[in-house]
Amino acid sequence: DTEVTQTPKHLVMGMTNKKSLKCEQHMGHRAMYWYKQKAKKPPELMFVYSYEKLSINESVPSRFSPECPNSSLLNLHLHALQPEDSALYLCASSQGPNIQYFGAGTRLSVL
Amino acid sequence: GQNIDQPTEMTATEGAIVQINCTYQTSGFNGLFWYQQHAGEAPTFLSYNVLDGLEEKGRFSSFLSRSKGYSYLLLKELQMKDSASYLCAVRGRDDKIIFGKGTRLHILP
Repeated sequence: DTEVTQTPKHLVMGMTNKKSLKCEQHMGHRAMYWYKQKAKKPPELMFVYSYEKLSINESVPSRFSPECPNSSLLNLHLHALQPEDSALYLCASSQGPNIQYFGAGTRLSVL
Repeated sequence: GQNIDQPTEMTATEGAIVQINCTYQTSGFNGLFWYQQHAGEAPTFLSYNVLDGLEEKGRFSSFLSRSKGYSYLLLKELQMKDSASYLCAVRGRDDKIIFGKGTRLHILP
């Protein structure tokens, strides 16, 4: 099983809303990642969790708040987003310095 | 600085062979990945190189030269479904993977 599951698949939210993106993997991977991808651009790293601890924050605005409740779950809490935050948000996981497996992503639209 | 370069677009014919090049300059090197991404979908893993040389997997092969900071992805017997973006990505330090801008490959019948 090489599956990373992301929910929801699509999300539309207003600039005053609070919402959360969820990511789950059951491969026993120690590292989990959040990426943001705009149309026709490569994925941009946002956060990395290693052994449930935040190890990398790529200077992401505080309106994005990651959380890793356990080794299988990764959340991204969203609050007071801007229209330019509309993008595909990808979660990935890996076991060590090796292949990252990506989820199908959540397509977010901020109105 | 960190930089990964690959051509923006390429066009090839069904049944042919195409080579997509990638050059990189990164802080540290812990492996190079190639991913395929169809429009609106997540990237899917194609290959991983950490040592110099050629890795072959079916119709897809990937080559790495660490001394030259260079890799290529070779696609043989092209099929229409191979029309996609191909992302070169390098793992530097601290679990960070940096993606190139991707090469959009168009396959003509």
